[in-house]
Amino acid sequence: DTGVSQDPRHKITKRGQNVTFRCDPISEHNRLYWYRQTLGQGPEFLTYFQNEAQLEKSRLLSDRFSAERPKGSFSTLEIQRTEQGDSAMYLCASSPQVGYEQYFGPGTRLTVT
Amino acid sequence: RKEVEQDPGPFNVPEGATVAFNCTYSNSASQSFFWYRQDCRKEPKLLMSVYSSGNEDGRFTAQLNRASQYISLLIRDSKLSDSATYLCVVKAGEYGNKLVFGAGTILRVKS
Repeated sequence: DTGVSQDPRHKITKRGQNVTFRCDPISEHNRLYWYRQTLGQGPEFLTYFQNEAQLEKSRLLSDRFSAERPKGSFSTLEIQRTEQGDSAMYLCASSPQVGYEQYFGPGTRLTVT
Repeated sequence: RKEVEQDPGPFNVPEGATVAFNCTYSNSASQSFFWYRQDCRKEPKLLMSVYSSGNEDGRFTAQLNRASQYISLLIRDSKLSDSATYLCVVKAGEYGNKLVFGAGTILRVKS
């Protein structure tokens, strides 16, 4: 399968714990995005990487959230001191340098208890 | 005001019906527009881009009205498999790479 992959697919954690999610984009894609989706809403943009550079961050990305893409390939999204309001689906997408379509991965569903 | 607004529905239609969804966007400088489809508990997938001149892909027709800042999607001859949430999307951001999604319109096609 050559699509965007995300790991884990599901994560249940207790409030106050730290969690880290991984995204592997489509191999030729140098652009990578993170979105968050809550029930009944569309995905909301969190951050954007071009290669290893993080070029744009949403105000939604509080100081408890950090994202990296150290070698311009896979990316990680870490949430520190999780809160119940962080419960959501975290979606990763990638796109090629030329072209506009963003291809989404299956998402990581986070539940904070 | 949300950047992209849609009627959440649900739209319940019989097979074979024609159904239309509209959405409005607030940023008049927006240049790129899309419709994405999202099945229950799945990731969004691009359905079609929306061009100023309007465009058609099989049973699906998308229209853009820049003056009124609204986008439409028309589905003809609805199939059971069209049941999904349809997300109206506008491209935004400093680098023009951020997708801004509406909350989605739920379509249920029934036999």
